[in-house]
Amino acid sequence: DVVMTQTPVSLPVSLGGQASISCRSSQSLVHSNGNTYLHWYLQKPGQSPQLLIYRVSNRFSGVPDRFSGSGSGTDFTLKISRVEPEDLGDYYCLQSTHFPWTFGGGTKLELK
Amino acid sequence: EVQILETGGGLVKPGGSLRLSCATSGFNFNDYFMNWVRQAPGKGLEWVAQIRNKNYNYATYYAESLEGRVTISRDDSKSSVYLQVSSLRAEDTAIYYCMQQLRGWGQGVMVTVSS
Repeated sequence: DVVMTQTPVSLPVSLGGQASISCRSSQSLVHSNGNTYLHWYLQKPGQSPQLLIYRVSNRFSGVPDRFSGSGSGTDFTLKISRVEPEDLGDYYCLQSTHFPWTFGGGTKLELK
Repeated sequence: EVQILETGGGLVKPGGSLRLSCATSGFNFNDYFMNWVRQAPGKGLEWVAQIRNKNYNYATYYAESLEGRVTISRDDSKSSVYLQVSSLRAEDTAIYYCMQQLRGWGQGVMVTVSS
C-alpha cells in the first residue's frame, strides 16, 4: 500500500498568518495516464470532510484562493495564506492513484 | 443541489452484519464512481471500498483490512450505493461516509460494534 506521511501533526497558527502542510508518499503518485491523483480535504469539527484541492493544485468550486496546492511525484504541499477562523480543523491528503486509496494521518490546524 | 444521505447504522454485536445505504440526488449518479470511507472515533480517515459505473462494468475495489467481509453494490435506478459488512469486530466501530470525489460526502452514519 502507498503510505502517506503528513506533517506536522499539529500546526498552531495566528489568524491572518500562513500555514504549510506537507504530504509525502512512499511511491510516485503519477498515474499511467500522466495525471497525479493527490487531493486535500478539510474536516471541520463535527462535520464531514470537504474537498479543497484536487489533483495537486486545482481548487475545488467555492474554495478561496488563500488555499493553494503544489508538488509532484512523491512530495506535495498545501499552503493556506491569511488564515481565517473557518480554516481551523483537520486537514488530510488523499492519494487515489493506486488502490487501495490511502489518506495521510491528518494535520490539526489550531490557533496559537 | 447535491445530496448524499447514509442510513442503516446502529449498534451491532460482534460477529453480526450490517447493510449501509447511501441515497444521492443532484448529480447524474450513473456517471460516477462511488466510495465508502470510515473514521473510527478520534481517528483519521480510512478508505473502505469503491464501485465504478456501468462503463467500467461496475468494478469493485476494497481495502485489504476489510476484504472478504465487505461488499459494495449500487442501484443506478435508485441513485444509491450500498455497503454490506459482515463478521463485524469492535475495530469496525466508526462513522461510515459515502463519498464521491468531486460531488461531496454524506454526513456519515455511526456503526458501533459492541456486546
